Amino acid sequence: QVQLVQSGAEVKKPGASVKVSCKASGYTFSSYGISWVRQAPGQGLEWVGWISTYIGGTKYAQKFQGRVTMTTDTSTSTAYMELRSLRSDDTAVYYCARIIADGFDFWGQGTMVAVSS
Amino acid sequence: QAVLTQPSSLSASPGASASLTCTLPGGINVGSYKIYWYQQKPGSPPQYLLRYKSDSDKQQGSGVPSRFSGSKDASANAGILLISGLQSEDEADYYCMIWHSSAVVFGGGTKLTVL
Repeated sequence: QVQLVQSGAEVKKPGASVKVSCKASGYTFSSYGISWVRQAPGQGLEWVGWISTYIGGTKYAQKFQGRVTMTTDTSTSTAYMELRSLRSDDTAVYYCARIIADGFDFWGQGTMVAVSS
Repeated sequence: QAVLTQPSSLSASPGASASLTCTLPGGINVGSYKIYWYQQKPGSPPQYLLRYKSDSDKQQGSGVPSRFSGSKDASANAGILLISGLQSEDEADYYCMIWHSSAVVFGGGTKLTVL
């Protein structure tokens, strides 16, 4: 069965970086893109960007350009999202999701990233 | 940056139907877009419900009951998620989504209460 398993919760100080992983199983990793979505406490969903697992191309939301980098390791079927220069308003649960026919059909369990001094 | 407008909350009774709207901004014609719908329950990631562009271009998520369906109201420039035969388990947050200019836009979400 399709599974996306994310890395554990992180606590970071303002200005630091965080790298969240998303390990896929149950399907051919390079056949589907991976998108990243975040959700601040008590708030709605916010798209961060997506990566093509086939060619490695990326598209980031304008808000995060220059601060985010998405990569993949096809040998381990793992996608990564690194966010730099963290601020308190980056505190959120970060989700990875598989992209199929432009929709997000399977989601990871989420990774809580807390930014606090 | 496109913004999708959803009512923040909606209440309905068990067994009734609920119509959740997702209004696109002016200048973006709903007829040109696939509208995606997700359900999220507390403490869980979102779950994909369905995609709707037209009656000939739609997709139900795997295992999603047929009482969840999509449509559009062109006059309101809105996508609609219709949930019929409401059950207590349908109480959740619902988000709409589109792809616009190669980027994803989510609506603010509607909290559906079944009481």
